[in-house]
Amino acid sequence: GENVEQHPSTLSVQEGDSAVIKCTYSDSASNYFPWYKQELGKRPQLIIDIRSNVGEKKDQRIAVTLNKTAKHFSLHITETQPEDSAVYFCAATPVTGGFKTIFGAGTRLFVKA
Amino acid sequence: EAQVTQNPRYLITVTGKKLTVTCSQNMNHEYMSWYRQDPGLGLRQIYYSMNVEVTDKGDVPEGYKVSRKEKRNFPLILESPSPNQTSLYFCASSSDRSGKGNTFGSGTRLTVV
Repeated sequence: GENVEQHPSTLSVQEGDSAVIKCTYSDSASNYFPWYKQELGKRPQLIIDIRSNVGEKKDQRIAVTLNKTAKHFSLHITETQPEDSAVYFCAATPVTGGFKTIFGAGTRLFVKA
Repeated sequence: EAQVTQNPRYLITVTGKKLTVTCSQNMNHEYMSWYRQDPGLGLRQIYYSMNVEVTDKGDVPEGYKVSRKEKRNFPLILESPSPNQTSLYFCASSSDRSGKGNTFGSGTRLTVV
């Protein structure tokens, strides 16, 4: 079936460094790719997203890149801060065929001060 | 305030005792979903609804039921809960079929003993 693989499962960086999280999806019909941040004990919140007709999108310190040919997309966080520490989830959604969303398993990011 | 409201936040129940987790949104969204979150597995979609009286299975529908009699409400029903349904559950709603702008509820932590 459809799946989304996310790596790494845990990432530890020093404050100020960059962090990169990568996801690979299997369903070539997917054309919407959101990223969610979930702080401890809280709900997931959308931080950035990209559609398949765009290769890169940036919002301040975060950016997402998409390679449709290779079926992978990545989240880039620059100048990391302790408040970036959280679990990050990628997801892939085919626009046709219902309302299914497939999530990656998550990446726990630690930013050390 | 635009929100998705889930109740209860915490629930401990016994095997086989029917329960309902309620979900209500005040944003007039057409699209709603239920997810379960388990360590190392990310969020997995249980059921989704694209409009009133339109529901369909996600990836892990076994042991669950849903209904969508009104646009704002999307309850999750466990007719005969089992311990393997112990999990953290999230309801989400969106105005867009791609799931863009998915708003999640606060979550329901269910324990089945």
